[in-house]
Amino acid sequence: QTVVTQEPSFSVSPGGTVTLTCGLRSGSVSTSHSVSWYRQTPGQAPRTLIYSTNGRSSGVPDRFSGSILGNKAALTITGAQADDESDYYCMVYMGSGIWVFGGGTKLTVL
Amino acid sequence: EVQLVESGGGLVQPGGSLRLSCAASGFTYNNYWMHWVRQVPGKGLVWVSHIHNDGSVTSYADSVKGRFTISRDNAKNTLYLQMDSLRAEDAALYYCARGGRGWGLDLWGQGTLVTVSS
Repeated sequence: QTVVTQEPSFSVSPGGTVTLTCGLRSGSVSTSHSVSWYRQTPGQAPRTLIYSTNGRSSGVPDRFSGSILGNKAALTITGAQADDESDYYCMVYMGSGIWVFGGGTKLTVL
Repeated sequence: EVQLVESGGGLVQPGGSLRLSCAASGFTYNNYWMHWVRQVPGKGLVWVSHIHNDGSVTSYADSVKGRFTISRDNAKNTLYLQMDSLRAEDAALYYCARGGRGWGLDLWGQGTLVTVSS
């Protein structure tokens, strides 16, 4: 069973920069996994931020960027704002028509 | 308006069946792959199933394989999830989502809640 790992929680100061990561319990994440990133606030549907590792979804500010850092995918938020406080999920395409979400990272801005 | 609207959720007994629907509007539905994703309130997102734009290819998470069936009616711009042999652990908010660029999901519905309880 594929397990996608994310930090359970993270905090960032307003105006600061934070990098959230998305890894595999067994193996490395690469661009072939086409990692996508989503954010979700309580009671709301998820919103798409990043597709295919580093493609920014329509309307997403350039404060949000995706990359590969070492053996993990990463979502970097620069100039953090209070309304960036959300849950962030990565989704990894494992091939053969199987996708797996990470457990999510709860980001606090304080 | 580009949107996805789920329906069909409700209370069902363990072992029972339920069919979820997702009505798409505002875009050319038959150009897109579609997915179902579920979420237990307060917990994380879980990918459930996907279907190609013409319905020719489907896939499922291991946890639902053999019990759930995804299908679509492109004439009605509607996606379905037939859920059989439901278990307590299937209780969740079920989202339909549109497959976007680069194997991601680019449009989400608001979800429909499934409760499995006797």
